Amino acid sequence: DQQVKQNSPSLSVQEGRISILNCDYTNSMFDYFLWYKKYPAEGPTFLISISSIKDKNEDGRFTVFLNKSAKHLSLHIVPSQPGDSAVYFCAASALVGSEKLVFGKGTKLTVNP
Amino acid sequence: DAGVTQSPTHLIKTRGQQVTLRCSPKSGHDTVSWYQQALGQGPQFIFQYYEEEERQRGNFPDRFSGHQFPNYSSELNVNALLLGDSALYLCASSRAGYNQPQHFGDGTRLSIL
Repeated sequence: DQQVKQNSPSLSVQEGRISILNCDYTNSMFDYFLWYKKYPAEGPTFLISISSIKDKNEDGRFTVFLNKSAKHLSLHIVPSQPGDSAVYFCAASALVGSEKLVFGKGTKLTVNP
Repeated sequence: DAGVTQSPTHLIKTRGQQVTLRCSPKSGHDTVSWYQQALGQGPQFIFQYYEEEERQRGNFPDRFSGHQFPNYSSELNVNALLLGDSALYLCASSRAGYNQPQHFGDGTRLSIL
């Protein structure tokens, strides 16, 4: 039973345009959500997070939106750059259950020059 | 400021053997979590250590065990290795507390022959 789902295995975007990566979850106890970026042969790098008490968090070119009623979050990258090409993982955790992270399967983003 | 470091980078073992993987957390972090990432999947939570105690455990058999030392570094031990244990093993560290993001090392690639 996959509690965190990233339904798009891949996404291709032109440089300078917006990249939107989506994530759905099923466990209503999740209250903290994170996005990680992973390059080949490296570990996941933390990008941005959002608590369930917020619906938006912004950090530079990265913005995460949370829609609790739809159990959906998205990561917006504006403008996209070729160096953003990587696999992006959505992760979630619940206060009950401490810091255990539950990950989606990832979306491979390719930003074309 | 060193991030999370893991050793070794790669390891090849045969079925039935035992293996020990090591992790040093990021400076200032006291909580260490271990994840297994199979090809094409997101990381799966194995267990978490805090104050030298296993605080939480995922759905992994007892062949997987760990330890945390007073300096917060950690080891993951796997006994009676199976072919299915071939994966990337990731260590993540964080500060104890609510909604603290986990930071990952580059992992140990374990191959079982």
